[in-house]
Amino acid sequence: AQSVTQPDIHITVSEGASLELRCNYSYGATPYLFWYVQSPGQGLQLLLKYFSGDTLVQGIKGFEAEFKRSQSSFNLRKPSVHWSDAAEYFCAVSGTYKYIFGTGTRLKVLA
Amino acid sequence: GAGVSQSPRYKVTKRGQDVALRCDPISGHVSLYWYRQALGQGPEFLTYFNYEAQQDKSGLPNDRFSAERPEGSISTLTIQRTEQRDSAMYRCASSSPAETGGYGYTFGSGTRLTVV
Repeated sequence: AQSVTQPDIHITVSEGASLELRCNYSYGATPYLFWYVQSPGQGLQLLLKYFSGDTLVQGIKGFEAEFKRSQSSFNLRKPSVHWSDAAEYFCAVSGTYKYIFGTGTRLKVLA
Repeated sequence: GAGVSQSPRYKVTKRGQDVALRCDPISGHVSLYWYRQALGQGPEFLTYFNYEAQQDKSGLPNDRFSAERPEGSISTLTIQRTEQRDSAMYRCASSSPAETGGYGYTFGSGTRLTVV
C-alpha cells in the first residue's frame, strides 16, 4: 500500500539551530516527492520537489531535502532555523495527479 | 487570479444542512483538485478535474459529496445532509498544463467547515 510516514508529530528547536524533519514512504515505483509548509491561516506552500536526477534538492526559504532510495526516505533539512519557520510541515508522495500526504510535523522555534 | 481562491474561509452549518464550497483556480490552470484535511491529519484526496471533466472521484467518501466544474474554471464541492464527521478543512488546488501529473500543485487557503 502507498503511504507516507512522518514519525515526529512535534519538534522543538532553538532559533539558529539546525533542523531535520523525517519522511519515509512506501510506493511501488519511483515516486515524485514533495515537502509543503502550512503556516497558520495560510494555504499549503510548496517548499521543494524531487522528480529525478540529483538526489539533493534545494527549495525555498533555505530548505533542502535528500532522496535516499535505499532507505525510502526524503528528509527535509535546514542549517539554521529562523523563528518564522515555525509551522506545520507535510511530506507527500505522488505517481500521477494524486498526492498521498503524511500526517505532518509541527515545528516550534524557541527564541 | 493570482492565487487559488476559496470561499467561504469559514463555514458553520447545522447538521442536516447542505453546503457548497467554492474554488476559483489560478487563471489558465486546467487541472483542479479537492482535498480534505481532518484535524491532526494530512490532506486526503477527494476528486480531480481536467478542464470540466471529472477524471477521478474515487476519494469522495459517499454519495452525499459531489463536485462540479461546469465551465472548466470555478469548481463547487457540495455536501448534502451534512454530518458532524464532515467537519474538516477542505482544500482546493490547481495546476497548469506543464504541471499536471503531480508536478506541483498550488493550494488555496482552504475552507474550514464545522458542522454543529
